[in-house]
Amino acid sequence: DFVMTQSPDSMAVSPGERAAINCKSSQSVLNSSNNKNYLAWYQQKPGQPPKLLVYWASTPESGVPDRFSASGSGTDFTLTISSLQAEDVAVYFCQQYFSSPWTFGQGTKVEIK
Amino acid sequence: QVHLQESGPGLVKPSETLSLICTVSGGSISSYYWNWIRQPPGKGLEWIGYFSHSGNSTYNAFLKSRVTISADMSKNQFSLRLRSVTTADTAVYYCARGYRYCGRIGCNMVWFDPWGQGTLVTVSS
Repeated sequence: DFVMTQSPDSMAVSPGERAAINCKSSQSVLNSSNNKNYLAWYQQKPGQPPKLLVYWASTPESGVPDRFSASGSGTDFTLTISSLQAEDVAVYFCQQYFSSPWTFGQGTKVEIK
Repeated sequence: QVHLQESGPGLVKPSETLSLICTVSGGSISSYYWNWIRQPPGKGLEWIGYFSHSGNSTYNAFLKSRVTISADMSKNQFSLRLRSVTTADTAVYYCARGYRYCGRIGCNMVWFDPWGQGTLVTVSS
């Protein structure tokens, strides 16, 4: 199975400051036949289900604020919130869809400092 | 807009069978992949398996011997049955739609969107 490891486990960021979450896959999720990274990011606010933020490692889902950006390739990926807002308090998960079973990172909790 | 809603008992006794239903509205289950994903208290997300538009089911190996996912097309519902449960099966259970991507080699499930609200199932005597 692909093991997805996120860092840090939690972080407290001041409003307006930048938050960066890392996700590392135990194997490459880059498909060389189409040059796509098979990785998604989700946001889970308290008491809510996860919500898709990003797919193909860097393509934002429709309606996602542009302060959210994502990058990376192969085994190392980053989700960045450029200017943290109070409504961004949540747990963020990465997920690989390169290979079954589909697996998630353990989550990174983002709080306001 | 597609909406998913889980339903079923919130309490199951050890060794019994956990049964949940996901009702899909705003779209047909005759396309896409229809998944169950769980989240044990304070832990991460675990993909359980899916029922696909083609009528077959695929499961995560760690539960494969105990799980069945099936669908009732006439009701636009799909269901989860997990046999011989233990306290380790206590979790919030989500149903979610899986998108399909077709490349040169074939088609596969990719990301999950949307998700149901989730339902907490506690295994306890």
